[in-house]
Amino acid sequence: NAGVTQTPKFRILKIGQSMTLQCTQDMNHNYMYWYRQDPGMGLKLIYYSVGAGITDKGEVPNGYNVSRSTTEDFPLRLELAAPSQTSVYFCASRSGTSSSYNSPLHFGNGTRLTVT
Amino acid sequence: GQNIDQPTEMTATEGAIVQINCTYQTSGFNGLFWYQQHAGEAPTFLSYNVLDGLEEKGRFSSFLSRSKGYSYLLLKELQMKDSASYLCAVRGGFQKLVFGTGTRLLVSP
Repeated sequence: NAGVTQTPKFRILKIGQSMTLQCTQDMNHNYMYWYRQDPGMGLKLIYYSVGAGITDKGEVPNGYNVSRSTTEDFPLRLELAAPSQTSVYFCASRSGTSSSYNSPLHFGNGTRLTVT
Repeated sequence: GQNIDQPTEMTATEGAIVQINCTYQTSGFNGLFWYQQHAGEAPTFLSYNVLDGLEEKGRFSSFLSRSKGYSYLLLKELQMKDSASYLCAVRGGFQKLVFGTGTRLLVSP
């Protein structure tokens, strides 16, 4: 039971470089999310997707892009990395239909990104 | 606006009981979640409350009062492995889940 798998676990980027954080889930969940977690701050939603081909912005989308070509995969793209993007990034998914408010998030193990 | 408040840090002794409080002000309410997050790891789901009252799950219980915008997580018979951060999160709209900053719990022998 893999659940939600994120790669890489760690990455150091130079300012201005680009990278893609990979996320895949094997639970056939419709809903997928990208969060960032900074020290002393709550998890902040970057982007989310309600199904293949559909994505939408969360609270802090600037500097990021996503795509959802399949149910399983939800990569997060950083273009022109900045020090403010130093953070821990979590991908999450949950099951459910349009009426299921109670389905919990299943998180990946996170990607620790440093931009210097 | 959205605001969720939790204490930053709490300490307790092995075998004791601890209550972690969460107060919230959100536009829309469709339930409150508690997650546990060990250092360097992903959050994991503990509980969900949408109606007032107490939900019990083994050593962990969660309480909700919607009129007061208040919840607590009660941990009984504390064990060293309970040392972790505990995140309160409120679901406002269907895709809108707002997290508090978390309460770091340190359990000592």
